Amino acid sequence: AQSVTQPDIHITVSEGASLELRCNYSYGATPYLFWYVQSPGQGLQLLLKYFSGDTLVQGIKGFEAEFKRSQSSFNLRKPSVHWCDAAEYICAVGPGGYNKLIFGAGTRLAVHP
Amino acid sequence: GAGVSQSPSNKVTEKGKDVELRCDPISGHTALYWYRQSLGQGLEFLIYFQGNSAPDKSGLPSDRFSAERTGGSVSTLTIQRTQQEDSAVYLCASSFNSPVRNNEQFFGPGTRLTVL
Repeated sequence: AQSVTQPDIHITVSEGASLELRCNYSYGATPYLFWYVQSPGQGLQLLLKYFSGDTLVQGIKGFEAEFKRSQSSFNLRKPSVHWCDAAEYICAVGPGGYNKLIFGAGTRLAVHP
Repeated sequence: GAGVSQSPSNKVTEKGKDVELRCDPISGHTALYWYRQSLGQGLEFLIYFQGNSAPDKSGLPSDRFSAERTGGSVSTLTIQRTQQEDSAVYLCASSFNSPVRNNEQFFGPGTRLTVL
């Protein structure tokens, strides 16, 4: 079955530290991969996406993610976290021509000053 | 330009009452989706509209849930005889119509439904 796993429910980092949020997927074909950010009371905002080509993708707000087919992973990274990055981060898989995104449960990021 | 808008932003209702949630997609987007986000769980697909095609209702959890999309634009999600387990944030998203761009969904801020 298609699924997305985000193993970390909560992560706390210090401001200025590096960040890596994990995302693993189970899907039978080449997936379309997404990372969204959700701040309290707001809808999801697309951080970045992978459709094809270069497996390292750059997104907004200084985020990047790397697609690793051999590991079925699409981990999100940021070299230096800011206090305003505190939010819920949600990984999703879009099966190409099929139109329903499959979402992970999300990782809640807290940033210590 | 204007994004996806949803109303109301918050809705508190009593068990057994009917509720209607509204979504205004981005102008020009022909695809519209409804999702439900329950506390501690990932987003759950509910229903999908694409142009004039029959909607994909496969995610609706029961026959108390229904949705319509008038004139290919505004959509209303209706929950009849609400139950406490219906309490969640209901998110709407819209996208363009192409095999690839269909997956670039833009989300509204959601409606937080609380059933007492």
